[in-house]
Amino acid sequence: GNSVTQMEGPVTLSEEAFLTINCTYTATGYPSLFWYVQYPGEGLQLLLKATKADDKGSNKGFEATYRKETTSFHLEKGSVQVSDSAVYFCALRTNYGQNFVFGPGTRLSVLP
Amino acid sequence: DGGITQSPKYLFRKEGQNVTLSCEQNLNHDAMYWYRQDPGQGLRLIYYSQIVNDFQKGDIAEGYSVSREKKESFPLTVTSAQKNPTAFYLCATAKGGHLSGANVLTFGAGSRLTVL
Repeated sequence: GNSVTQMEGPVTLSEEAFLTINCTYTATGYPSLFWYVQYPGEGLQLLLKATKADDKGSNKGFEATYRKETTSFHLEKGSVQVSDSAVYFCALRTNYGQNFVFGPGTRLSVLP
Repeated sequence: DGGITQSPKYLFRKEGQNVTLSCEQNLNHDAMYWYRQDPGQGLRLIYYSQIVNDFQKGDIAEGYSVSREKKESFPLTVTSAQKNPTAFYLCATAKGGHLSGANVLTFGAGSRLTVL
């Protein structure tokens, strides 16, 4: 079946540090890949997406590249801010599938 | 502004009571979803609906029920048959049919249900 695995954290970084959150997936066909972010007490917001191999999604300084050969979609940011503290979810959706599959989420805390 | 409205934001329930969580959207999206979120876990799909008057069970539908009488509305009822209902419930929508590979999910702010 389809699944998403991501580092569960928590991840604690100092402000301006480099961030990587690993995400790997298992899926039949050619899925679309997503990163969502959830701030405390809120719903999820789409952060970025990629729909085919080698696509790079980017938004607000975050980037992730769809790597079909390693079935990965790692999230990166060059310099994190305190305001980036949140839970980050990796997700996939197959082109013929009906639903989205989410990873367990990774909590990020950025200290000033 | 277009969006998804979930209500109530917080809800307390006694054991044995049914409760209904509201989800209303004005995005004109066809598909609507209900997810459950527990601490330290990912989202688990309860029910989804692609069109009015039709809905499908997700991975954890037992103890829940839904209806889709209008395109804009997809209420979730948590019944007394749900053994562990305390959780954060998220409603989401998606534009277009489920076969569209470019679809993204748009989420509401969530409803937190606590069973006393």
